[in-house]
Amino acid sequence: NAGVMQNPRHLVRRRGQEARLRCSPMKGHSHVYWYRQLPEEGLKFMVYLQKENIIDESGMPKERFSAEFPKEGPSILRIQQVVRGDSAAYFCASSPPPGARSPLHFGNGTRLTVT
Amino acid sequence: DAKTTQPNSMESNEEEPVHLPCNHSTISGTDYIHWYRQLPSQGPEYVIHGLTSNVNNRMASLAIAEDRKSSTLILHRATLRDAAVYYCILDGGATNKLIFGTGTLLAVQP
Repeated sequence: NAGVMQNPRHLVRRRGQEARLRCSPMKGHSHVYWYRQLPEEGLKFMVYLQKENIIDESGMPKERFSAEFPKEGPSILRIQQVVRGDSAAYFCASSPPPGARSPLHFGNGTRLTVT
Repeated sequence: DAKTTQPNSMESNEEEPVHLPCNHSTISGTDYIHWYRQLPSQGPEYVIHGLTSNVNNRMASLAIAEDRKSSTLILHRATLRDAAVYYCILDGGATNKLIFGTGTLLAVQP
């Protein structure tokens, strides 16, 4: 029973390039959450998606960041024109629909380094 | 979202019990209390959650005060692998979106 899979595990991008982070939720989970953890800081909520819908993007920066969770395939967090301040660990979590009070299952993250 | 307060850090000795406190004086009636932990270089890991009654599972126990304004995560016998940041989080249930605070950094000494 595979857990939440994130890839790549490490990603290096030069300033101005695009970063695409992928998250495959646990089998049977229809809800995905993205979090960012800056070095030596706590986890910050970014966005919460259901298949083909963004439910809550209150934590997403207004520019350069976007997220999707298509009907088929993994959820993608896309960062355009990366800057050094985007260097962080990005974690994805998945769950069944809310209301079941089921815990979130997290992946081991993608560590983005912008040079 | 209601706020939680935890000590920044705690220390324990291996094979001794650890009691990690959490204050949540503004908790509402429908908020569940969740505990997660994050080991170095890993994603957060679910530990336990509860509403009113004390809860036990294979990882830990959760003791919830009668007025629900505080709770304690109990690790019965700490091991070196329990060294992590422990987060106490309230979940109102409308979504599963969890807001992480700064947590408690637990150091376990051999």
